[in-house]
Amino acid sequence: EAGVAQSPRYKIIEKRQSVAFWCNPISGHATLYWYQQILGQGPKLLIQFQNNGVVDDSQLPKDRFSAERLKGVDSTLKIQPAKLEDSAVYLCASSLYGSGYTFGSGTRLTVV
Amino acid sequence: RKEVEQDPGPFNVPEGATVAFNCTYSNSASQSFFWYRQDCRKEPKLLMSVYSSGNEDGRFTAQLNRASQYISLLIRDSKLSDSATYLCVVNDPLGGNTGKLIFGQGTTLQVKP
Repeated sequence: EAGVAQSPRYKIIEKRQSVAFWCNPISGHATLYWYQQILGQGPKLLIQFQNNGVVDDSQLPKDRFSAERLKGVDSTLKIQPAKLEDSAVYLCASSLYGSGYTFGSGTRLTVV
Repeated sequence: RKEVEQDPGPFNVPEGATVAFNCTYSNSASQSFFWYRQDCRKEPKLLMSVYSSGNEDGRFTAQLNRASQYISLLIRDSKLSDSATYLCVVNDPLGGNTGKLIFGQGTTLQVKP
């Protein structure tokens, strides 16, 4: 079974620039999550989709972060403009209605 | 108070040692509990679920105390390959059955030869 695919693997940008991350979940997984993991901390949920609808985006900094999941499959997470404190690993995960949780390998973002 | 609290360590132990990690969670309504393992620069992976009766998987034993809102992980006969960060994870009861998980900050284990 193919896992959760994420790209790019690494990204370095200057502050105030914009960046986008892509995630392709496991086939058939209805639920998709974006987590932010800052160095030395556990992953923190940014946004959760059920099919193409948002279930929880309470911790998404909506002034600069946006995410979409068109057609209920792939998802993109965008940051515009980036700040230094956005440097982190952005992890995408998917599950089949809450079970079988699987993470992608993440995108490591460095903002300089 | 953090929703899930762990001692970040690091725990430095020799091969063959027994080591225990502890975790507390704040919301008594949480129903699902897990330990995840995260290797350096890798994604978290499920190590084991934690059940009220306690459960064992080889050298790993997980225990849950709902009254104290406390979760533990015991690793016996530590191997070099056990070196990793161990994340305590609970479900967010406010998330219903949507699978929202709350992660602790992780406890780092270094097993030395």
